[in-house]
Amino acid sequence: DGGITQSPKYLFRKEGQNVTLSCEQNLNHDAMYWYRQDPGQGLRLIYYSQIVNDFQKGDIAEGYSVSREKKESFPLTVTSAQKNPTAFYLCASMKTGILRYGYTFGSGTRSTVV
Amino acid sequence: QQPVQSPQAVILREGEDAVINCSSSKALYSVHWYRQKHGEAPVFLMILLKGGEQKGHEKISASFNEKKQQSSLYLTASQLSYSGTYFCGPFNDMRFGAGTRLTVKP
Repeated sequence: DGGITQSPKYLFRKEGQNVTLSCEQNLNHDAMYWYRQDPGQGLRLIYYSQIVNDFQKGDIAEGYSVSREKKESFPLTVTSAQKNPTAFYLCASMKTGILRYGYTFGSGTRSTVV
Repeated sequence: QQPVQSPQAVILREGEDAVINCSSSKALYSVHWYRQKHGEAPVFLMILLKGGEQKGHEKISASFNEKKQQSSLYLTASQLSYSGTYFCGPFNDMRFGAGTRLTVKP
């Protein structure tokens, strides 16, 4: 079955450490997105990519970086500049031009600063 | 700007009905709705396109009024499985409302 795979499921990072979250999809979707969900909060857009080798900042891009070298992959790097102690990171994808299926989300990565 | 959802939270007994509203200050051409259970990823429920159409999913339906820039989600005869946080968003904007936490109790 097709879907989105995020890893790791849980992430413990030290202050000053850069870490990379993986997001892979085999849905042949063109667009991919990263969202952050803080405890009890909604989804906030970090970065998005509509096509390979192109990506755009979302509303809370500071302290993050991404790349989109392959259609299937959209890794997110959380840099040492990102101070948020606990967050749930969600990756999503969508087939552009076909609206009825909406976004498909991965199962998420829960990040904690130790 | 994020769409605005109301109420922020609602508690129901099994079998009761609920309405969740979503409004936008920007022009809405389509709206999509998701449900997220605790600790899990959001799951797509439905998308509504302009034309005031209604869609259904289980006993959950929704309406969309693009002139008023509003959408409403209707949960009828709620079941325990309906518990979760519901998000709306304009489909072309990639942003979501802050969510409505729905709790259904026996």
